[in-house]
Amino acid sequence: GAVVSQHPSRVICKSGTSVKIECRSLDFQATTMFWYRQFPKKSLMLMATSNEGSKATYEQGVEKDKFLINHASLTLSTLTVTSAHPEDSSFYICSASDWVNTEAFFGQGTRLTVV
Amino acid sequence: AQSVTQLGSHVSVSEGALVLLRCNYSSSVPPYLFWYVQYPNQGLQLLLKYTTGATLVKGINGFEAEFKKSETSFHLTKPSAHMSDAAEYFCAVTPSGGYNKLIFGAGTRLAVHP
Repeated sequence: GAVVSQHPSRVICKSGTSVKIECRSLDFQATTMFWYRQFPKKSLMLMATSNEGSKATYEQGVEKDKFLINHASLTLSTLTVTSAHPEDSSFYICSASDWVNTEAFFGQGTRLTVV
Repeated sequence: AQSVTQLGSHVSVSEGALVLLRCNYSSSVPPYLFWYVQYPNQGLQLLLKYTTGATLVKGINGFEAEFKKSETSFHLTKPSAHMSDAAEYFCAVTPSGGYNKLIFGAGTRLAVHP
């Protein structure tokens, strides 16, 4: 299957700072990327869907000003957690897809800890 | 609207026993269905998927699942559990096309004991 690389795998940041997470499709052009959040021992909650060159579509209840998503190229999407607080600590996972495949491909996830 | 229900948040089996993880879905359009496995602090690995065609699909690591439209089910099975199968399993549904967002079930944690 196609490869999606997510970086960093772990990050610790201070409360009030911003942190950027990258999601790259390494061997295909990702027209659509998805960002999920996973709380401990919980399922994945879709945060937003981004299409290359367009503004992201956020799910209800997700603060778009706090979770900035950029999908400027067909191989890269970024999630920036702005003014992070301890309650933003979580596991964030991206996935990427195109119009050809019948599935989206997942990154390895990023463990964010805000102290 | 689509939704997924996974019956049983925790399932425990003996090594060598049958594994059965249940998944029921609701969808107003023909669905694509997926099973993923997640190990601690890792992303999701696709076990198998149903898109169209044969309703019994075989995946990696000896897992298989059967799409039953009449029962709106997509249960995951493995004839003989291995210790390495211990993980979290997620069932997911999407309208046809990988470019659509996935709706996940709550997950089932599988424990395998000697």
